[in-house]
Amino acid sequence: GQQVMQIPQYQHVQEGEDFTTYCNSSTTLSNIQWYKQRPGGHPVFLIQLVKSGEVKKQKRLTFQFGEAKKNSSLHITATQTTDVGTYFCAGLAGNNRKLIWGLGTSLAVNP
Amino acid sequence: ETGVTQTPRHLVMGMTNKKSLKCEQHLGHNAMYWYKQSAKKPLELMFVYSLEERVENNSVPSRFSPECPNSSHLFLHLHTLQPEDSALYLCASSQGPGTGKETQYFGPGTRLLVL
Repeated sequence: GQQVMQIPQYQHVQEGEDFTTYCNSSTTLSNIQWYKQRPGGHPVFLIQLVKSGEVKKQKRLTFQFGEAKKNSSLHITATQTTDVGTYFCAGLAGNNRKLIWGLGTSLAVNP
Repeated sequence: ETGVTQTPRHLVMGMTNKKSLKCEQHLGHNAMYWYKQSAKKPLELMFVYSLEERVENNSVPSRFSPECPNSSHLFLHLHTLQPEDSALYLCASSQGPGTGKETQYFGPGTRLLVL
């Protein structure tokens, strides 16, 4: 079946270090979305990438969509304690346009 | 954020109880979703409703029964649950499958504990 793999599962960094999480799909995606879930909270939409090779930035966050539209990454520059949480990617795939979720990457930031 | 609300926020129930979770969206969306989120597991899509019609049911046990009386309200009726059903139950809404606007807006969730 269609899968979206996300790595790493956990990441522990010192404040100020960079962080990257990667998503890889077994099939070509129509688009990919990224969500953030703070501890004790619910997933909140961050961004959607649609075009092959697309790069979008939100302050210290950089999102990329691969040329083949099968992989994506989220890079955070100079992490802060407010970046703590779990980052999920979700890819839209198939004719039925089903949203397939990655397992998420949990980020912990040491002050 | 008050676009999607869920009640109750916390629920403790015995295995023989019957309870219902409620979700309401104020975003004018046409699709609503129920997800189960357990510790160290991915988000599990349970049900999808589009324009009040169930369009997806992902092999969910019959002890979970969804109801969507209109496009703004979604219920999850629970009966004879098992301890392994303890989890965070998240409701979400979107413009709708196939619209190109599948961005999902989540409610705060109901944390369920089954004893």
